[in-house]
Amino acid sequence: QVQLVQSGAEVKKPGASVKVSCKASGYTFTDYYMHWVRQAPGQGLEWMGWINPYSAGTNYAQKFQGRVTMTRDTSISAAYMELSRLRSDDTAVYYCARDTGSSSGAPLYYFDYWGQGTLVTVSS
Amino acid sequence: QSVLTQPPSVSGAPGQRVTLSCTGSSSNIGARYDIHWYQQLPGTAPKLLIYGNINRPSGVPDRFSGSKSGTSASLAITGLQAEDEADYYCQSYDSSLSGSGVFGGGTKLTVL
Repeated sequence: QVQLVQSGAEVKKPGASVKVSCKASGYTFTDYYMHWVRQAPGQGLEWMGWINPYSAGTNYAQKFQGRVTMTRDTSISAAYMELSRLRSDDTAVYYCARDTGSSSGAPLYYFDYWGQGTLVTVSS
Repeated sequence: QSVLTQPPSVSGAPGQRVTLSCTGSSSNIGARYDIHWYQQLPGTAPKLLIYGNINRPSGVPDRFSGSKSGTSASLAITGLQAEDEADYYCQSYDSSLSGSGVFGGGTKLTVL
């Protein structure tokens, strides 16, 4: 069965960086795009961007350009999302989510499997 | 401010039918990009409910149905049950923001 297992909760100070991991199993990791979505406490979902695990190509939401980096390690079927220059309003649960579209084509921008979420708290 | 607009809350009694709306613009829903819906129970990750405007993933009851017209989309839930109480999000693609995924702000469904 498909599973996305994320790394544990993090507490960071403003200005620091955080790197969240998402380990995939139950399917061929390089076959599907992986997206990152965040949710601030009590708020809605916010799309951050995607990575193509096959090509390592990325597309980031304009809001996060210059601050976010998405990478992958195909040897261990893991995707990573690093966010730098953290602010208090970056406090959120960060999810990885698998696109249903094949990595050999375009992403379809809807997600059939989600990680369990990683809470990142930014506080001085 | 979300690119897709959803009412903050909707309520209905058990057994009733409710409709959740999602309004976009000419750069997303109106540009014929598909709408997808997710259900999020408290403390859990979102779950795909409807994809490609009208399609249900395996395991989703046929009480849930989606539709789309012009720059708007709707999620209908019939035979409302207590377990349907959750947050519901619509999602699409927007071509005006260098190409990006966009979500609605979410609707909290309360079963009375």
